[in-house]
Amino acid sequence: QKEVEQNSGPLSVPEGAIASLNCTYSDRGSQSFFWYRQYSGKSPELIMSIYSNGDKEDGRFTAQLNKASQYVSLLIRDSQPSDSATYLCAVNRGSQGNLIFGKGTKLSVKP
Amino acid sequence: KAGVTQTPRYLIKTRGQQVTLSCSPISGHRSVSWYQQTPGQGLQFLFEYFSETQRNKGNFPGRFSGRQFSNSRSEMNVSTLELGDSALYLCASSPDIGGNYGYTFGSGTRLTVV
Repeated sequence: QKEVEQNSGPLSVPEGAIASLNCTYSDRGSQSFFWYRQYSGKSPELIMSIYSNGDKEDGRFTAQLNKASQYVSLLIRDSQPSDSATYLCAVNRGSQGNLIFGKGTKLSVKP
Repeated sequence: KAGVTQTPRYLIKTRGQQVTLSCSPISGHRSVSWYQQTPGQGLQFLFEYFSETQRNKGNFPGRFSGRQFSNSRSEMNVSTLELGDSALYLCASSPDIGGNYGYTFGSGTRLTVV
């Protein structure tokens, strides 16, 4: 079982819709969870972090964490063409471990 | 506040050569991690340095090595380059070890081995 799994996509949504990105992880000891956005040809950029069960909202972005189900998700409301990118889920490997990344989900927002 | 600086941005090397990549973390950040990114494998962890000591290491051969200096700047070295080493190498800095606060990535070094 891969440590962090994401659907590779592409996920295509119309402009203005909600994009839902999902991620599962295998290490129950993981404590920190992150979503990164990577535009083509650029490096990953941290957009959300979440540490406890529930929802965390930041502007149009909402991160959701369910540790019992080992599941993290990212919702993007009112999706814009500028949101078109690959979204990477990252999970830390315990308190002293490094970040493990999923392979990313490619999101395409159509005008 | 300056971000994470990686040099050089692009490199073309021949099989069998060696290469050294450099990373300067955000001021005050003591942890530097290195990742290899390829289209097929995604982001793969190479190693993490904190206070000049390697704290974590990924599943890469010994040809991949690194070090960190007292000012937190880090270098990674790849010896006896292979075609499969062609990738984007990303450096990430963090205030503390383990990525609990997330990483800030540099722009990367694009290595092409011919």
